[in-house]
Amino acid sequence: QSVLTQPPSVSEAPRQRVTISCSGSSSNIGNNAVNWYQQLPRKAPTLLIYYDDLLPSGVSDRFSGSKSGTSASLAISGLQSEDEADYYCAAWDDSLNGYVFGTGTKVTVL
Amino acid sequence: QVQLQESGPGLVKPSETLSLTCNVSGGSIDTYYWSWIRQPPGKGLEWIGYIYYSDNTKYNPSLKSRVTISLDMSKNQFSLRLNSVTAADTAVYYCARLRRDYGDYIDYWGQGTLVTVSS
Repeated sequence: QSVLTQPPSVSEAPRQRVTISCSGSSSNIGNNAVNWYQQLPRKAPTLLIYYDDLLPSGVSDRFSGSKSGTSASLAISGLQSEDEADYYCAAWDDSLNGYVFGTGTKVTVL
Repeated sequence: QVQLQESGPGLVKPSETLSLTCNVSGGSIDTYYWSWIRQPPGKGLEWIGYIYYSDNTKYNPSLKSRVTISLDMSKNQFSLRLNSVTAADTAVYYCARLRRDYGDYIDYWGQGTLVTVSS
């Protein structure tokens, strides 16, 4: 049972913008950095955002992250067909004393 | 460029022990934290635990009683052992590098290996 809650799915037309929410608590998002991972179909996850809003080298700047209180968001602008994937938020949880992933969100490009 | 590669049996019988090894290339294993994550078919990601410098380990509380992660610096490998497996342990198992500088995040993943628990 994940402690980070995401919407199961979001969909939008090409070139539009989508936002994925990640809801947690004071023991995880409220007190620790949030990361986002992209998992393309049948592939291993890859790091998309770390430390709330930092992009690793090589990641498109169409992706952006933000955090406020105990919630975080991932935005994808200029949506492309190649963005169809599952997206997971994650953070360290001080109460569980472990790393926790969100429930995951499937992005569909219409 | 760091690369990770999982290896081990793809089929394990119920009540037996699941054993996997992760070979790390392109970087030394004694400098970072190393993790195992799993993903049941069609489901989300679950962190299993990490190891740092041989004896510093931390495990998911839900798996702690059954899990051991170890590290072999001479081979640049780390390993996972999960005891008393059931069908619920069927999953793709990923090894990964966990960074603990700008918060905690996984910057390198293995390709994953499917382990099925079945008689």
